Amino acid sequence: DVKVTQSSRYLVKRTGEKVFLECVQDMDHENMFWYRQDPGLGLRLIYFSYDVKMKEKGDIPEGYSVSREKKERFSLILESASTNQTSMYLCASTPRGRLAGGNNEQFFGPGTRLTVL
Amino acid sequence: AQKVTQAQTEISVVEKEDVTLDCVYETRDTTYYLFWYKQPPSGELVFLIRRNSFDEQNEISGRYSWNFQKSTSSFNFTITASQVVDSAVYFCALSEAHNTDKLIFGTGTRLQVFP
Repeated sequence: DVKVTQSSRYLVKRTGEKVFLECVQDMDHENMFWYRQDPGLGLRLIYFSYDVKMKEKGDIPEGYSVSREKKERFSLILESASTNQTSMYLCASTPRGRLAGGNNEQFFGPGTRLTVL
Repeated sequence: AQKVTQAQTEISVVEKEDVTLDCVYETRDTTYYLFWYKQPPSGELVFLIRRNSFDEQNEISGRYSWNFQKSTSSFNFTITASQVVDSAVYFCALSEAHNTDKLIFGTGTRLQVFP
């Protein structure tokens, strides 16, 4: 079974703090994704990565950065947390589409509910 | 532009009722893929089904069935004889052939099944 784990289920931080959200997958997937989920807005893509050290902006990258130093780990960084970044953050992974037939489902972690005070 | 619309924000039913969750999509690609995910209260999205644009056959899996109609750009999901364990948020999603690595999600439908 594919397993995607996230470092914390719940996190409370203060405005201005630097926040790291970690995601690890154990199935050697090339692609990894970070989403945020807000009521009424569904899942919105923040950043994704096709490979180690590669990253691409999603739909809402402002205020976030990412790091992918190893294939299995994809970190989301909030350089200076703000209250409007209070949200549920979901990590996902999938094999690269073109190589795997182009119709992959994404495998999700359990999510991190971040509160910024 | 690509888009997925789930117009039903929340649905409440009583156990054993049938319920249909609507999903309408927009895309310019002729090849694309449609997905449904379930998010139970635990938070983790669980994959339910994938459909490609060339396969319009309806699918049934136990109490779950999916109706894909290209003519109306819809991919609706029906739960027959609903159960309390079906209570969750359900997301419909789309990926396009020119960029199959990315999923475009709808805003989700929260289904509450009461005993």
